[in-house]
Amino acid sequence: GNSVTQMEGPVTLSEEAFLTINCTYTATGYPSLFWYVQYPGEGLQLLLKATKADDKGSNKGFEATYRKETTSFHLEKGSVQVSDSAVYFCALSPANTGKLIFGQGTTLQVKP
Amino acid sequence: DTEVTQTPKHLVMGMTNKKSLKCEQHMGHRAMYWYKQKAKKPPELMFVYSYEKLSINESVPSRFSPECPNSSLLNLHLHALQPEDSALYLCASSQDGPGRGFFYEQYFGPGTRLTVT
Repeated sequence: GNSVTQMEGPVTLSEEAFLTINCTYTATGYPSLFWYVQYPGEGLQLLLKATKADDKGSNKGFEATYRKETTSFHLEKGSVQVSDSAVYFCALSPANTGKLIFGQGTTLQVKP
Repeated sequence: DTEVTQTPKHLVMGMTNKKSLKCEQHMGHRAMYWYKQKAKKPPELMFVYSYEKLSINESVPSRFSPECPNSSLLNLHLHALQPEDSALYLCASSQDGPGRGFFYEQYFGPGTRLTVT
């Protein structure tokens, strides 16, 4: 079946620290992969995406590379800010299904 | 513009009330979605409309009734809800939908926070 596993949180970092949030997936076929971010009291925002192996998605200093050999899509940012504090969801979409399968979410807290 | 709007922002209703949630997008997207999100959990898919037709119903109880009056609007009619239905209800849209040969990213609205008393 299709599933997404994210590292458990909360992840607490100091401002300007390096961020990695691990995401691994199980899927049949060739899914598309996504990171969404949810700030407190808001809906989900698409952060970045990758649609095929070795694609790198990037946005607002965040990056993730679609690694088919390790079935991973880890989120990284070189220097986090307090404003990055949010819940981050890794998600996959199996081809042609129209569905998003989410991981459990990882809460990031960045302290000044 | 990648905006999906939802109204109302907050809704409190009794178990005998009838209410509706509304969602609107003006991006020309042909697929629209309803999700339910409980606190500290990921969103759960409820319904998918593709080209104004119901494409996916994830075995949602009949007290939730979706409607897609046109390609820009999506409603969720609520009747005889239970306290456990209290959650954040999210609407999303994408350029195209299931079975169309590709996946297009979904854009989410801010949600309606529903409390059932």
